Amino acid sequence: ETGVTQSPTHLIKTRGQQVTLRCSSQSGHNTVSWYQQALGQGPQFIFQYYREEENGRGNFPPRFSGLQFPNYSSELNVNALELDDSALYLCASSRTQSEQYFGPGTRLTVT
Amino acid sequence: GQQLNQSPQSMFIQEGEDVSMNCTSSSIFNTWLWYKQEPGEGPVLLIALYKAGELTSNGRLTAQFGITRKDSFLNISASIPSDVGIYFCAGTLIYNQGGKLIFGQGTELSVKP
Repeated sequence: ETGVTQSPTHLIKTRGQQVTLRCSSQSGHNTVSWYQQALGQGPQFIFQYYREEENGRGNFPPRFSGLQFPNYSSELNVNALELDDSALYLCASSRTQSEQYFGPGTRLTVT
Repeated sequence: GQQLNQSPQSMFIQEGEDVSMNCTSSSIFNTWLWYKQEPGEGPVLLIALYKAGELTSNGRLTAQFGITRKDSFLNISASIPSDVGIYFCAGTLIYNQGGKLIFGQGTELSVKP
């Protein structure tokens, strides 16, 4: 059984640019959630996708957006990057709202 | 917003000792989960709890869902060096919005051989 995978592993962007992060869910999972983890903090919920629709959103501005595809994989897009967006971005997959299994994350650095 | 207070923030223990950490909240939680995160990796699910009072074990790990639904604890017995990492509690609220997991601040565990 393949676990959650994310790409890329590391990324460096300049303030004002846009970024797309990708996630493939674990086999049999139909729900994908995205989290932002700042250094030394617990993960913060960004949003969740179920059946290609957004199914709940945390306290993040509209420049954070996402997509889920028919194969349940997902993208996180962030526009107009700010220095504070530097963080580890985690994707988690689950069967509906049950236990969430995390990928290794994408480390984003904004300079 | 909703918060989980996790304690202690860090622990330095000798190999073989038992460890206990807990999470509390002013809100009622529907589920409690415990994760372990190692440097450069995503959190790994250790134990999931779904009912008030539930006590669940996973090897040397034991976790409980508090009766009030506002707290949970994790115990690790006979610690070993590979237990080193950051342990997070997480939960979903009774009136959950889309499967949102709320995380504690983490407990960093160091084990001295």
